[in-house]
Amino acid sequence: NAGVMQNPRHLVRRRGQEARLRCSPMKGHSHVYWYRQLPEEGLKFMVYLQKENIIDESGMPKERFSAEFPKEGPSILRIQQVVRGDSAAYFCASSPRGQGANQPQHFGDGTRLSIL
Amino acid sequence: QKEVEQNSGPLSVPEGAIASLNCTYSDRVSQSFFWYRQYSGKSPELIMSIYSNGDKEDGRFTAQLNKASQYVSLLIRDSQPSDSATYLCAVPITGNQFYFGTGTSLTVIP
Repeated sequence: NAGVMQNPRHLVRRRGQEARLRCSPMKGHSHVYWYRQLPEEGLKFMVYLQKENIIDESGMPKERFSAEFPKEGPSILRIQQVVRGDSAAYFCASSPRGQGANQPQHFGDGTRLSIL
Repeated sequence: QKEVEQNSGPLSVPEGAIASLNCTYSDRVSQSFFWYRQYSGKSPELIMSIYSNGDKEDGRFTAQLNKASQYVSLLIRDSQPSDSATYLCAVPITGNQFYFGTGTSLTVIP
């Protein structure tokens, strides 16, 4: 499967735990974007990364949320000390070049995070 | 004003009719525009991209762009029940950020 791979598809955490969401971009894509979607709402940009670099994290909450895209392995979105309001679908997208090149983004199937 | 605005709908059309979905955006310098389809509980799927003023056709889909009016639309001809989904307009506005509209929910009635 050459598409954007996200795992897990569903993640259940209790309040105060940590959530780790993973994303492997499409083959040949080196730009990764994370979005959050609440029920009945649109996609909200969170962060844009290239390998070993955070390019734009203006959509990330200031606390508890972090993202990385290491030289080897998938991109990780980490949410520490989760709260009920973190329950949402988190989508990862990738593109072959950056936003400045007007590239479309291709989405993974998302991770549905539920906080008990 | 939001960066990207769409009528939330719901929009209902009979099978075989033309569905018209509209989107306006705030940044005059935006150069690229994308339409995504999202089925309930699924991920957004790219269906059209448009970069130049005018019309771009792909099968039953036509994207229309008017940069002077900051307006982009999607027409779906011969609508099918399988077209029932939420359609998202996406515009890169501040370089790195992709802004999505809240989506228009379309129902095609058999």
